[in-house]
Amino acid sequence: NAGVTQTPKFQVLKTGQSMTLQCAQDMNHNSMYWYRQDPGMGLRLIYYSASEGTTDKGEVPNGYNVSRLNKREFSLRLESAAPSQTSVYFCAGSGRLGNTEAFFGQGTRLTVV
Amino acid sequence: GDSVTQMEGPVTLSEEAFLTINCTYTATGYPSLFWYVQYPGEGLQLLLKATKADDKGSNKGFEATYRKETTSFHLEKGSVQVSDSAVYFCASGYGKLTFGQGTILTVHP
Repeated sequence: NAGVTQTPKFQVLKTGQSMTLQCAQDMNHNSMYWYRQDPGMGLRLIYYSASEGTTDKGEVPNGYNVSRLNKREFSLRLESAAPSQTSVYFCAGSGRLGNTEAFFGQGTRLTVV
Repeated sequence: GDSVTQMEGPVTLSEEAFLTINCTYTATGYPSLFWYVQYPGEGLQLLLKATKADDKGSNKGFEATYRKETTSFHLEKGSVQVSDSAVYFCASGYGKLTFGQGTILTVHP
């Protein structure tokens, strides 16, 4: 039982490059989330998907897009990376069996130079 | 909008000391409240939770009580260990969570 799996774990991009962060869960979560973690700011919600087929903006959506490919997979895309997007990105899932807590992946450390 | 405020850190303690990390929240309705812990280089792990007023969450010697009257969910442990050194996050919500800024805890032998 892998839980919530993110790939890659580390990535370095040049300004203007694009990339997709992948997230897959095998916990049958209905909802999935993308957060970014920056020093002294906790975790901030980028986008979320309350259920398969729906996506909504969170607190800091600018510069990002998402796709809920199916119930298991939720990807985050940076179309034109900027140094301000240097951060640690976490995917999470929730909603299995009515639980309110979120279960997190191990994170992707992204550096944009 | 909803918000969560944690006590300023970092916090440095000696082993076996008493720990308190303060957390207050503002929210519409009555959210669930959580404490998550993050060890170096890892993701967030749920430490404990409380889903309604006066509930006490507990795990691994840590405790927190959902106080609606003071909108607080303070984390406590009676005797910390070196292995408790980590970053602690308070959060509120239902699945879609609002996080505090995190408190770095360092415990020395």
